[in-house]
Amino acid sequence: DQQVKQNSPSLSVQEGRISILNCDYTNSMFDYFLWYKKYPAEGPTFLISISSIKDKNEDGRFTVFLNKSAKHLSLHIVPSQPGDSAVYFCAASVQGGSEKLVFGKGTKLTVNP
Amino acid sequence: ETGVTQTPRHLVMGMTNKKSLKCEQHLGHNAMYWYKQSAKKPLELMFVYNFKEQTENNSVPSRFSPECPNSSHLFLHLHTLQPEDSALYLCASSQVVQGLPQHFGDGTRLSIL
Repeated sequence: DQQVKQNSPSLSVQEGRISILNCDYTNSMFDYFLWYKKYPAEGPTFLISISSIKDKNEDGRFTVFLNKSAKHLSLHIVPSQPGDSAVYFCAASVQGGSEKLVFGKGTKLTVNP
Repeated sequence: ETGVTQTPRHLVMGMTNKKSLKCEQHLGHNAMYWYKQSAKKPLELMFVYNFKEQTENNSVPSRFSPECPNSSHLFLHLHTLQPEDSALYLCASSQVVQGLPQHFGDGTRLSIL
């Protein structure tokens, strides 16, 4: 039973537009959420995180939104750039710790020039 | 070198071979992890070492044997693997403090003949 779900395997957007990647979770004990980006032949790279005490966290072009009641988080990339083309993984953990991360399957984002 | 380094990057082995994967982190972290990523599946946590002590074994078969001689090095010893063990094996490290992310190596692509 998957506790972290990324229901869209792929997403394609035009350069300059907004990319919205979605993630749903089932475990209400999760209180720390992260997004990782992965290029082919490289390991995942940490992008941005959010604690459950917040509903939004911004870092440059990247914003993560958390809706605890819906058990849903999303990553917004504005404006999208071709270099953002990668697989994006959502991850979650309990008690704010980074030890036991539960990952989604990932969404492949393609940003077209 | 900086970050998390994994060797080898690619490994092909027969089912009766014995080999080892190596991971080294240069980030001063106190926890290290092994993950398995199979096609179309989420990253699966295999083992966690915290201050060199194994704190998590996620029901991994005994043909996978981890070793953590110090907080900077982590090994995964492989013996009598099965074809379904072919996957990308990722190492990660973190400072086990609330809200800090894991940092990943680029992985070892393992193929079992």
